[in-house]
Amino acid sequence: DTEVTQTPKHLVMGMTNKKSLKCEQHMGHRAMYWYKQKAKKPPELMFVYSYEKLSINESVPSRFSPECPNSSLLNLHLHALQPEDSALYLCASSPGTGFTYEQYFGPGTRLTVT
Amino acid sequence: AQSVAQPEDQVNVAEGNPLTVKCTYSVSGNPYLFWYVQYPNRGLQFLLKYITGDNLVKGSYGFEAEFNKSQTSFHLKKPSALVSDSALYFCAVRDWDDNNAGNMLTFGGGTRLMVKP
Repeated sequence: DTEVTQTPKHLVMGMTNKKSLKCEQHMGHRAMYWYKQKAKKPPELMFVYSYEKLSINESVPSRFSPECPNSSLLNLHLHALQPEDSALYLCASSPGTGFTYEQYFGPGTRLTVT
Repeated sequence: AQSVAQPEDQVNVAEGNPLTVKCTYSVSGNPYLFWYVQYPNRGLQFLLKYITGDNLVKGSYGFEAEFNKSQTSFHLKKPSALVSDSALYFCAVRDWDDNNAGNMLTFGGGTRLMVKP
């Protein structure tokens, strides 16, 4: 299985809602990532988990809260988002934390904040 | 911080013709370079990478890339373009933060490839 899955595919939420994005991989990868991508722009790194521990937080607002319950799962909890947070949220994984590893991306969750 | 630049927002090519998507890099130390492709409303798919060794790297779907150290470039190429190659292409470089955590990718701005029949 060489796939990263993300649910839901689409999410519409109000600014007062609480929702979660889910990412799953069964490739035995030990590093997992969240990215935010605006239309026609490159992905921007948000968080990196290495061996289930948060290793990088790219100064992301606290309304985004990541969680890594186990080595196969990565969640992104959302609360009190702003309309400008509307974007494609991509999850990725890589075998480890070495410089040579490529990242495998999921299809993304298209988030709209109303 | 490491960086890559993609000087062309869009590249147009006729089906059957060779294509080139350009990427230049700026790094301290050895460059670790990657190419990804993104189809509409999809995630990124890995095409190929340069770590060390041969300057010509072969990847998925008939793509290859040429690493040129003197020109600090890593251009993506394909001998014969297909309409189905039309997509958004990103060059990326391995980056790291102040804690020397090398788990980061820094992407170029992307190049839209349009292959016309």
